[in-house]
Amino acid sequence: AQSVSQHNHHVILSEAASLELGCNYSYGGTVNLFWYVQYPGQHLQLLLKYFSGDPLVKGIKGFEAEFIKSKFSFNLRKPSVQWSDTAEYFCAVKSGAAGNKLTFGGGTRVLVKP
Amino acid sequence: EPEVTQTPSHQVTQMGQEVILRCVPISNHLYFYWYRQILGQKVEFLVSFYNNEISEKSEIFDDQFSVERPDGSNFTLKIRSTKLEDSAMYFCASSHDRGSSYEQYFGPGTRLTVT
Repeated sequence: AQSVSQHNHHVILSEAASLELGCNYSYGGTVNLFWYVQYPGQHLQLLLKYFSGDPLVKGIKGFEAEFIKSKFSFNLRKPSVQWSDTAEYFCAVKSGAAGNKLTFGGGTRVLVKP
Repeated sequence: EPEVTQTPSHQVTQMGQEVILRCVPISNHLYFYWYRQILGQKVEFLVSFYNNEISEKSEIFDDQFSVERPDGSNFTLKIRSTKLEDSAMYFCASSHDRGSSYEQYFGPGTRLTVT
């Protein structure tokens, strides 16, 4: 069974600091990878996704993620965070072989101090 | 932008009662899902639904759970006899297809509290 782990449960940053959130998955086959964000009081929204091709994926709001197949990782980055990036971030994996279900990591709460 | 909507936003029920959680997926989507998140735990997949039948379900989705698309717009999750451990946030999601444009759109969730 596939699983997803996010290393940090809570991250506190100041504005303009760089952000990197770790995500590792365990699944030997083809995977599709996603980062979702949940702003306070809002629903899960897709930040970016990887299906194939260039392993460096650019998403909305200045976020990017890099798929490193050899490390089973899909880390999320943003060079300079803003207060409005305060949210919970979820990494998710979908098996490329069959099925549509997403397997989520535990989430990382990010607090950006103004 | 089209959105997935869910009602109610919060449901309180007594143990043993039946509850129905409602979702309106995005209108041209073909795949529908339910997930849940128990407080402090991961978002967990419950079930996916396509072409008027369950396409995949998790171990959590036992005989107490059922899903239905009673008309062209609603997608419901029924819990027949609720237990304390069913207390969670329940998210509905929908997607258009399974290709590279695949993306699951999530609703705001229904917080179910079983007392």
